[in-house]
Amino acid sequence: GAVVSQHPSWVICKSGTSVKIECRSLDFQATTMFWYRQFPKQSLMLMATSNEGSKATYEQGVEKDKFLINHASLTLSTLTVTSAHPEDSSFYICSASGWGADTQYFGPGTRLTVL
Amino acid sequence: AQTVTQSQPEMSVQEAETVTLSCTYDTSESDYYLFWYKQPPSRQMILVIRQEAYKQQNATENRFSVNFQKAAKSFSLKISDSQLGDAAMYFCALYWPGGGADGLTFGKGTHLIIQP
Repeated sequence: GAVVSQHPSWVICKSGTSVKIECRSLDFQATTMFWYRQFPKQSLMLMATSNEGSKATYEQGVEKDKFLINHASLTLSTLTVTSAHPEDSSFYICSASGWGADTQYFGPGTRLTVL
Repeated sequence: AQTVTQSQPEMSVQEAETVTLSCTYDTSESDYYLFWYKQPPSRQMILVIRQEAYKQQNATENRFSVNFQKAAKSFSLKISDSQLGDAAMYFCALYWPGGGADGLTFGKGTHLIIQP
């Protein structure tokens, strides 16, 4: 149980384009989903928290207009990187937790490369 | 603000031996959760073990156990009978459900090498 998927697993795009990453909970209802960013050989940094049907809460320093998060259903959250630039290249990981749950389960991550 | 510190960037252990990874944290809250996650080269984050702060008993999952010292704010992970498949980055993480953003606060990680 507690399986989270992400799609795509990797994506290469040109500078200035937008990229959408999907995060799905496959066998449970994810009332809360989280988006993290991980640079090479570094730890995970929380970008934002989203509750189903509500606006996402962004961490300080994360541009909400650049990283659009939608959590329209209990099994799907999306992260859209708008007008991507090379400095947005990173590994993006989502996680999900159920109602009242304290444990997060992680997706396999998406490697974004912006040329 | 909450912080998690892992002071060992890298650890090496012989296969079948026991190794302990250190983690200290800082929080002003009394009710929180602590986790160890494993990240192998595939980069999939895998939950290893969790501990509720209100429980005095140390959590155990097969070969993995923790030494939770709440007063000292210490949460170390012991891996017994190390196996080659245990080689990975290990992250200690803290979760407090009462904040506005409920994500995990991670330490910088410890790279565990298993020597055959």
